[in-house]
Amino acid sequence: ETGVTQSPTHLIKTRGQQVTLRCSSQSGHNTVSWYQQALGQGPQFIFQYYREEENGRGNFPPRFSGLQFPNYSSELNVNALELDDSALYLCASSSHGGGNTYGYTFGSGTRLTVV
Amino acid sequence: QQQVKQSPQSLIVQKGGISIINCAYENTAFDYFPWYQQFPGKGPALLIAIRPDVSEKKEGRFTISFNKSAKQFSLHIMDSQPGDSATYFCAASTWLTGGGNKLTFGTGTQLKVEL
Repeated sequence: ETGVTQSPTHLIKTRGQQVTLRCSSQSGHNTVSWYQQALGQGPQFIFQYYREEENGRGNFPPRFSGLQFPNYSSELNVNALELDDSALYLCASSSHGGGNTYGYTFGSGTRLTVV
Repeated sequence: QQQVKQSPQSLIVQKGGISIINCAYENTAFDYFPWYQQFPGKGPALLIAIRPDVSEKKEGRFTISFNKSAKQFSLHIMDSQPGDSATYFCAASTWLTGGGNKLTFGTGTQLKVEL
């Protein structure tokens, strides 16, 4: 059983650029959630995808968008990058409706630095 | 808006001692309370979780105490070991309209267990 894998592990972007982060969910999981973790803070919910549609969204602007693919993998896209977008981006997979019972499985994250 | 307050921010405990981390919440819609452990460069990993209809849950050296009326819960790590040195996050779960759930995290406690 494979866990959640994220790519790339690190990247540096310039303010105003666009970035795409990728996530492969754990085997058997059909739901993917994305979280942003600023340095020294707890993760904050960005959005969740189920059946290739956005299932819920946190307090993030529209320039944060996502996709889920038929194999349950997912992408997080951020447009018009700002310095404050520098953070660890975490992907978490779960079984729909089962997150409360089994918890999420988090990936190791992508460290994004915006300069 | 911080919906889950966590304390202390950092904690130093001697090997064999008891580590105690506290969290408080306001939102009564929270219905599942997990604790996550995070090592540097890794994503959070589920440690133990509790539902609000239970006052205590124990798994090995880890115990959650839950006080529903006070809207507080805490993590106790008995016989703390140097390998327990990590950042610990409390979290609280709410349902999304689409049937999944999202987690609201505390700000984290950096635990160091000294020999």
